[in-house]
Amino acid sequence: KQEVTQIPAALSVPEGENLVLNCSFTDSAIYNLQWFRQDPGKGLTSLLLIQSSQREQTSGRLNASLDKSSGRSTLYIAASQPGDSATYLCAVGTGNQFYFGTGTSLTVIP
Amino acid sequence: GAVVSQHPSWVICKSGTSVKIECRSLDFQATTMFWYRQFPKQSLMLMATSNEGSKATYEQGVEKDKFLINHASLTLSTLTVTSAHPEDSSFYICSAHKGETYEQYFGPGTRLTVT
Repeated sequence: KQEVTQIPAALSVPEGENLVLNCSFTDSAIYNLQWFRQDPGKGLTSLLLIQSSQREQTSGRLNASLDKSSGRSTLYIAASQPGDSATYLCAVGTGNQFYFGTGTSLTVIP
Repeated sequence: GAVVSQHPSWVICKSGTSVKIECRSLDFQATTMFWYRQFPKQSLMLMATSNEGSKATYEQGVEKDKFLINHASLTLSTLTVTSAHPEDSSFYICSAHKGETYEQYFGPGTRLTVT
């Protein structure tokens, strides 16, 4: 069974810093990988989707990379802002199933 | 876009009663929907995969007689928590994927509190 791990579990940075969130998975036979943001008590907002054939995706200040062979993905956030404070989840898709990571709780300090 | 809605957004019920949660894909057809639950400060755990016109597939450890799933149309799946108990209190989220990319779109979630 696919296991997805995110490191660190929590991260606190001053506003303006660039940061990297990590996601690792045990089975490289994936269909895609998706990064989400979750605010307290809310549902999930999709940030980026990377297909298994892709190496990275970018949206604004966000860049997600995928190294399928090593079972790793990173989410890079440039010039962090207080509004970026949330829990970030990565999820690995195997076609018709999605396995979620444990999440990274990010706090950006003004 | 692809929008998934859930109703209700929150519900409080008494122990022993049943609660139905609806998940709708508003602007696309979803042959497959997924139900997750999330406990406080924990990640999402897949409960079951809901297939239109057929029985749901439950994850190991999820009681199918307690969590009844019906996927009667291409835009609606329902989760009924039967004989709810306080330990069923949780955040329930559904999702659906659209098209061939299998990108998942999530509903806003339903917070269930059983007293």
